[in-house]
Amino acid sequence: QSALTQPASVSGSPGQSITISCTGTSSDVGGYNYVSWYQQHPGKAPKLMIYEVSNRPSGVSNRFSGSKSGNTASLTISGLQAEDEADYYCSSYTSSSTHVFGTGTKVTVL
Amino acid sequence: EVQLVQSGAEVKKPGESLKISCKGSGYSFTSYWIGWVRQMPGKGLEWMGIIYPGDSDTRYSPSFQGQVTISADKSISTAYLQWSSLKASDTAMYYCARLSRHWFDPWGQGTLVTVSS
Repeated sequence: QSALTQPASVSGSPGQSITISCTGTSSDVGGYNYVSWYQQHPGKAPKLMIYEVSNRPSGVSNRFSGSKSGNTASLTISGLQAEDEADYYCSSYTSSSTHVFGTGTKVTVL
Repeated sequence: EVQLVQSGAEVKKPGESLKISCKGSGYSFTSYWIGWVRQMPGKGLEWMGIIYPGDSDTRYSPSFQGQVTISADKSISTAYLQWSSLKASDTAMYYCARLSRHWFDPWGQGTLVTVSS
């Protein structure tokens, strides 16, 4: 099972919007609406930000939103803030009844 | 509050065995899958496998099948990840997390495993 493909890094200025892509195949991202996104600050455990493509857990800012088109899912962070600087990972359920993570994206706030 | 608490950091030598734990509280431990995730130093997250404590049904990533064993003791709400013979390449942070349908939440605090001669 190959990792989902994410850009290594994305950056933006405070207040801007950025989008992180997550590309898989029809056997994972494209085949199911079971994409989730995680934020990880240095030295911390990952935190769920989005589940089932576009749903936000309670307590997660509405500046975070998710979508999917074909085999590519996306996480958009609007109104970028300094605290959003972190690593972000996507994950998808697969046709093998397992899950796979993305390669990870480092978000830098300029 | 739903919580997963992992066992403490370990320092082991190559060839030694190890079993780390993840204790769940605040929910019905037997009703949710628990997953294990590896993060090697400076690297990304890797899905290792999951277990359903209710009946011990277990699924492994092909990359980890045969390399580790995932188990659970539902009587004490604890899941385990174990190695029979550690290698230096097993040095990593290991996280457990509760699987709700197909997303992981919450996560344990992580267990750092260091394998060095």
